[in-house]
Amino acid sequence: DQQVKQNSPSLSVQEGRISILNCDYTNSMFDYFLWYKKYPAEGPTFLISISSIKDKNEDGRFTVFLNKSAKHLSLHIVPSQPGDSAVYFCAASPLLYGQNFVFGPGTRLSVLP
Amino acid sequence: KAGVTQTPRYLIKTRGQQVTLSCSPISGHRSVSWYQQTPGQGLQFLFEYFSETQRNKGNFPGRFSGRQFSNSRSEMNVSTLELGDSALYLCASSVGEATNEKLFFGSGTQLSVL
Repeated sequence: DQQVKQNSPSLSVQEGRISILNCDYTNSMFDYFLWYKKYPAEGPTFLISISSIKDKNEDGRFTVFLNKSAKHLSLHIVPSQPGDSAVYFCAASPLLYGQNFVFGPGTRLSVLP
Repeated sequence: KAGVTQTPRYLIKTRGQQVTLSCSPISGHRSVSWYQQTPGQGLQFLFEYFSETQRNKGNFPGRFSGRQFSNSRSEMNVSTLELGDSALYLCASSVGEATNEKLFFGSGTQLSVL
């Protein structure tokens, strides 16, 4: 049973437009969320995080929104660039000792020039 | 600062064999986590080590084990390999002193079991 879901396996967006990647979770104990980007043959790289005490966090072109009541978060990329084409993973963690993240299956984003 | 280093990059084994993967964390990082990535499954958490002790463990069978050395380097071992163990194994490090720190990943070891 997947505790973190990314229901869109792939997404195509035109360069310069907004990309919206969605993530849903089922475990109400999750209170810290991260987004990672992964290029082929490389490890995932950290993009942005959000804790449950916030509903929005921005970092440059990346904004993450958290709706705790709906157990939903989304990553907005504005404007989208061809270099953003990658697989994006959502990850969640409960407030436990140490690092124990549950990752979603990923969404492949293609930004078309 | 050097990133997380994983060796080897690629590995081919046959069923029933065992394999050991290595991970060197970022200097100063004391937590090392291991994840398995298979197509369509995302990253599945294997275990986390901190100060040579296993601090968290995922839902993998006992064939998957790990250890951490005093210099924070970590190894992961899989015994009696099965075809389903073919995957990308990713190691991630973090400072480790707080909860919910962001993870820094290596490029992974691609394991193929024939």
